[in-house]
Amino acid sequence: EVQLLESGGGLVQPGGSLRLSCAASGFTFGSFAMSWVRQAPGKGLEWVSIISDSGGTTYYADSVKGRFTISRDNSKNTLYVQMNGLRAEDTAVYYCARTPNDFCRGGDCYVVNWGQGTLVTVST
Amino acid sequence: EIVLTQSPDTLSLSPGEGATLSCRASQSVSSSYLAWYRQRPGQAPRLLIYGASSRATGIPDTFSGSGSGTDFTLTVSRLEPEDFAVYYCQQYASSPWTFGQGTKVEIK
Repeated sequence: EVQLLESGGGLVQPGGSLRLSCAASGFTFGSFAMSWVRQAPGKGLEWVSIISDSGGTTYYADSVKGRFTISRDNSKNTLYVQMNGLRAEDTAVYYCARTPNDFCRGGDCYVVNWGQGTLVTVST
Repeated sequence: EIVLTQSPDTLSLSPGEGATLSCRASQSVSSSYLAWYRQRPGQAPRLLIYGASSRATGIPDTFSGSGSGTDFTLTVSRLEPEDFAVYYCQQYASSPWTFGQGTKVEIK
């Protein structure tokens, strides 16, 4: 059974930093591209970032480009996102997400599996 | 950026009834790269449909997707109690991959 377990969320002041982790199990982690998707309280879903199976290719939403860095450690089956320069509008539940293949092969960039999410609150 | 607009915002129905949800794109979604997700209260989303019409693993045939170009539809032939939730469409034809604002299916 695929499991994605996020951690690292919490309360941080504007301008601060936070690193989220996602521990994956139940599948060959190093064979799949992974994403972060977020959801502000009471709002819809927003794709944040994606990283290829090897970690060699990354994409970011314009709203986080230059502030967030996605990475992965395939030896530890773990996905990360380093979030710097946090703003109030970054407040959201952050979901770790598995895509169907190594990196949108055949154009497939949807989410097959979702974690339960971790809440990040940016506030004074 | 492709903008997805879902309608209606809220659908009030009774268990056992059918539901039809719409997702309209601001420009053509090539190769029908469109997915649907269901999100129950307090839970993470779950993949229902990908490629506009292919059911994900474990999804019953009461769920079906259709459409192409700019107009897509999710149909639930018979609503079970656990189907009262928010539904999102997502396009992955071009980056940034975007979601619709969601349609809430509530119990009438």
